[in-house]
Amino acid sequence: DQQVKQNSPSLSVQEGRISILNCDYTNSMFDYFLWYKKYPAEGPTFLISISSIKDKNEDGRFTVFLNKSAKHLSLHIVPSQPGDSAVYFCAAKIKIGPFNPNDYKLSFGAGTTVTVRA
Amino acid sequence: DVKVTQSSRYLVKRTGEKVFLECVQDMDHENMFWYRQDPGLGLRLIYFSYDVKMKEKGDIPEGYSVSREKKERFSLILESASTNQTSMYLCASSEGVGAAYEQYFGPGTRLTVT
Repeated sequence: DQQVKQNSPSLSVQEGRISILNCDYTNSMFDYFLWYKKYPAEGPTFLISISSIKDKNEDGRFTVFLNKSAKHLSLHIVPSQPGDSAVYFCAAKIKIGPFNPNDYKLSFGAGTTVTVRA
Repeated sequence: DVKVTQSSRYLVKRTGEKVFLECVQDMDHENMFWYRQDPGLGLRLIYFSYDVKMKEKGDIPEGYSVSREKKERFSLILESASTNQTSMYLCASSEGVGAAYEQYFGPGTRLTVT
């Protein structure tokens, strides 16, 4: 049962426009959220993250918004560039044990394939 | 830059064979992970290790085992490969597993079991 869901498997956007990627989660105990980007034939690379105590985090063209009441987060890419064409994974961390610092678990969504058209 | 390398990019094995996937990281990270990536399912954690000779089961450990004899190396073993283990396998490492620690991924091994 996936606790992190990316319901849009693909997204196509014109170069220069905004890309909005959505992610929903079911477990209110998640306390940290991350976005990873993956090019074909490469491993995922970390893009941006947000703590559950915040509602927005911005890094250059990338902004992540968190709506805890709706259990929803989104990634905005503005402006979109051809090099942004990739698969984007939403991921969430949860502490699964009270004492051991290693008791964090990372759960991934299924991914959204973004295509930026020139 | 953190570098995580995996021994093979593509691998084709027969049903019933024993398969070894190797992963090496060069940043002295304590924690290492094995995931498999399947369409529509994203990345699912198979096993992880937070210290040499330590291992913990992830979400889908059945049919797999792991070995961590040295800090920089984490091996995934398929004792008797089956066709449903055809997948992309990704290794990752991280300095810590607290909330703010990101994981660094290798390029992946595309395993096909025939």
